[in-house]
Amino acid sequence: KQEVTQIPAALSVPEGENLVLNCSFTDSAIYNLQWFRQDPGKGLTSLLLIQSSQREQTSGRLNASLDKSSGRSTLYIAASQPGDSATYLCAVIKAAGNKLTFGGGTRVLVKP
Amino acid sequence: KAGVTQTPRYLIKTRGQQVTLSCSPISGHRSVSWYQQTPGQGLQFLFEYFSETQRNKGNFPGRFSGRQFSNSRSEMNVSTLELGDSALYLCASSLATLTGFPGELFFGEGSRLTVL
Repeated sequence: KQEVTQIPAALSVPEGENLVLNCSFTDSAIYNLQWFRQDPGKGLTSLLLIQSSQREQTSGRLNASLDKSSGRSTLYIAASQPGDSATYLCAVIKAAGNKLTFGGGTRVLVKP
Repeated sequence: KAGVTQTPRYLIKTRGQQVTLSCSPISGHRSVSWYQQTPGQGLQFLFEYFSETQRNKGNFPGRFSGRQFSNSRSEMNVSTLELGDSALYLCASSLATLTGFPGELFFGEGSRLTVL
């Protein structure tokens, strides 16, 4: 059974500092790994999708890496801003179907 | 291009009642999946529909059911509501293929259900 873990559960940083969010998974037989952002009371916003054949993906200030062999992914957010305050979730998906297995999320607070 | 639309956004029901939630996927997306989010259990997969057929199902009791229409819109139904069914129900759509290629998932804003 796939298990996804995100540590730490919460993180507080001053504005301008780089954010490093970790995600680990137990079964390396994944197809995709996807990072999401969730604001309080809202749905999920897709940030980055990394396919199993890829090592990283970048979008603006965001960069996500994937190491399947060690069962880890890291989301880097450069030069954090107060608007980056949210909960960040990672999720993995196996080949068949669209069943995402989510981590518990990391709640991020960026202080001005 | 419109995103995933879920209705209603908020609803309050009492124990024993039933509820139907609706999801309109992004145009062209044939796969629709449903998730339940609670503070205690996090995000859990309910089921996935592709071309009107349920393709995957999570570990939820039979009170939770769903369906998909020919235009890819989907509904989920919860019968005999319990207090523990209070949650944010999220719908996601993707360009998943018939052969199972998952695609990127896009979520709606969710339907927040409160059971009293």
